[in-house]
Amino acid sequence: SQQGEEDPQALSIQEGENATMNCSYKTSINNLQWYRQNSGRGLVHLILIRSNEREKHSGRLRVTLDTSKKSSSLLITASRAADTASYFCATDTPSGSRLTFGEGTQLTVNP
Amino acid sequence: DTAVSQTPKYLVTQMGNDKSIKCEQNLGHDTMYWYKQDSKKFLKIMFSYNNKELIINETVPNRFSPKSPDKAHLNLHINSLELGDSAVYFCASSQDGTGLATDTQYFGPGTRLTVL
Repeated sequence: SQQGEEDPQALSIQEGENATMNCSYKTSINNLQWYRQNSGRGLVHLILIRSNEREKHSGRLRVTLDTSKKSSSLLITASRAADTASYFCATDTPSGSRLTFGEGTQLTVNP
Repeated sequence: DTAVSQTPKYLVTQMGNDKSIKCEQNLGHDTMYWYKQDSKKFLKIMFSYNNKELIINETVPNRFSPKSPDKAHLNLHINSLELGDSAVYFCASSQDGTGLATDTQYFGPGTRLTVL
């Protein structure tokens, strides 16, 4: 069964606003990663958070991880039109042999 | 320089044909992957290779056969193409020398396969 589920499926905001996307998963993990996919392109890695970390920042990105709730959130602050893309969370299995991707959140940032 | 490249970018073919998609990475990574992304953008792993050895083989029809001539290349050959094979196929690589998926993965641009 699919490991990650994301919420919301689609999010539309105005430039300058913050965007928050959530990811829930089912089994224990070693790490959780977030990827971005622009239309017609491959996935690009954004940030990796390990199971013993609770929060991580990278530029305008802030990721939190709550292993007790098996959930993570990705916050993009001061969004820009160029942030328009699909965002996927990905979790590894306890054995670490593969990544399982969520269904993704389609973010649209309107100028 | 392109890190992970795939050819072709688009592939349109008739049902029953055999086709190949090539993937090359110039990152010096040890592990390479093939993923299939369906029309709903759901991304599912198909295969992974570590130093030319098969690590993961998901429940994929045996019409799909990966081949890794060296650790920088992982090609995907598909026999007897079916309508349901239409999707975007992504190649990816990671540095992880153990074959574990804990490292960042670097994706190619994708190959959009359309089976008519």
